[in-house]
Amino acid sequence: DAGITQSPRHKVTETGTPVTLRCHQTENHRYMYWYRQDPGHGLRLIHYSYGVKDTDKGEVSDGYSVSRSKTEDFLLTLESATSSQTSVYFCAISESGASGTEAFFGQGTRLTVV
Amino acid sequence: KNQVEQSPQSLIILEGKNCTLQCNYTVSPFSNLRWYKQDTGRGPVSLTIMTFSENTKSNGRYTATLDADTKQSSLHITASQLSDSASYICVVSGSGTYKYIFGTGTRLKVLA
Repeated sequence: DAGITQSPRHKVTETGTPVTLRCHQTENHRYMYWYRQDPGHGLRLIHYSYGVKDTDKGEVSDGYSVSRSKTEDFLLTLESATSSQTSVYFCAISESGASGTEAFFGQGTRLTVV
Repeated sequence: KNQVEQSPQSLIILEGKNCTLQCNYTVSPFSNLRWYKQDTGRGPVSLTIMTFSENTKSNGRYTATLDADTKQSSLHITASQLSDSASYICVVSGSGTYKYIFGTGTRLKVLA
């Protein structure tokens, strides 16, 4: 298995509180992605990174921010969690982007906002 | 709009039987197509990846086909096993992009 770890694996939080999810990789891959997975939808891209301090928005970025200060860590922050952000969040890594090599996924973080 | 559609949404088969899952896409320009298997509660795991010039790729009992002209792909599972019960996701990438476009998946249940 690729060296990619998400933390925490499960979290319950209250509406309005900030939440940070962490993705850590040991593969030294350049690209990192955050997705959310909801019933009836394919994985949807929240944000992605193509290098340290280089990030861009995905299709469902509202309410989320990211940071990548080191190659190995990609953080996803919900500044003020809402119930609509209850979901399963997946991090993925790729050596050379979507048009190139394999993408590896973490085990997911199940977030519940009550 | 770039889209990936999969059918059927769900499928139940008996152990030992074969099945075929379908994927249609409208992504253009096309770069590659991947099939992933996702077990319940886990992240997706790659089964196959095919580029424009490839029309078939096998991984054990899994065989993927690609028709880039009709923008269709299929995943054939031979001699199914209980462990094949999972969601199978078709993912398409366009040329020159960092992004993957995911289908909603086919949920396969294999019964003893």
